[in-house]
Amino acid sequence: SQQGEEDPQALSIQEGENATMNCSYKTSINNLQWYRQNSGRGLVHLILIRSNEREKHSGRLRVTLDTSKKSSSLLITASRAADTASYFCATDVVYNQGGKLIFGQGTELSVKP
Amino acid sequence: DVKVTQSSRYLVKRTGEKVFLECVQDMDHENMFWYRQDPGLGLRLIYFSYDVKMKEKGDIPEGYSVSREKKERFSLILESASTNQTSMYLCASSSLADYEDEQYFGPGTRLTVT
Repeated sequence: SQQGEEDPQALSIQEGENATMNCSYKTSINNLQWYRQNSGRGLVHLILIRSNEREKHSGRLRVTLDTSKKSSSLLITASRAADTASYFCATDVVYNQGGKLIFGQGTELSVKP
Repeated sequence: DVKVTQSSRYLVKRTGEKVFLECVQDMDHENMFWYRQDPGLGLRLIYFSYDVKMKEKGDIPEGYSVSREKKERFSLILESASTNQTSMYLCASSSLADYEDEQYFGPGTRLTVT
């Protein structure tokens, strides 16, 4: 079962523009994370936002969380060709002694030079 | 830096073969996970383990089994490979002590079953 759903599925922009990706989820969470995946590689953790936080920044990344709407957005400012990748949101599920994450289907971002 | 390694980047197997995918992490993490990734379906959890010899089914365990005999190693086993198991397999680990549950991923194994 997919908890997080990203929107849009694909996004194509020019270098220098901002890219915004959205994620919606269904159940209560402790935190929401964003990951990046370059083509054919593993995922890399980008940023985590806790359920009691509304906004968080890390370099050119800005994440917002609206728990009332069960949604989050990832903004990449001043995009670069190297930002081309797939971006996934993931929400946590507490299960017995170990936590697991449920990933969305991802947004494929293409930044053209 | 956390390092998660997977035994192969690319693997080609025949239908009916028994396939072992190995994952090793070097950060003494308690939790380890196996996912498969398919276009349009995102990452789907196959199995996970929160301790040695412990395992829990994920969302799609059918056709797979796992083994965790040592803390650093988590193996995914396809008892009798089928063509619908052609996919990208990703291993991840996380620390139980890290309440934030950030997962560290290996580079992935692209398995083709012919």
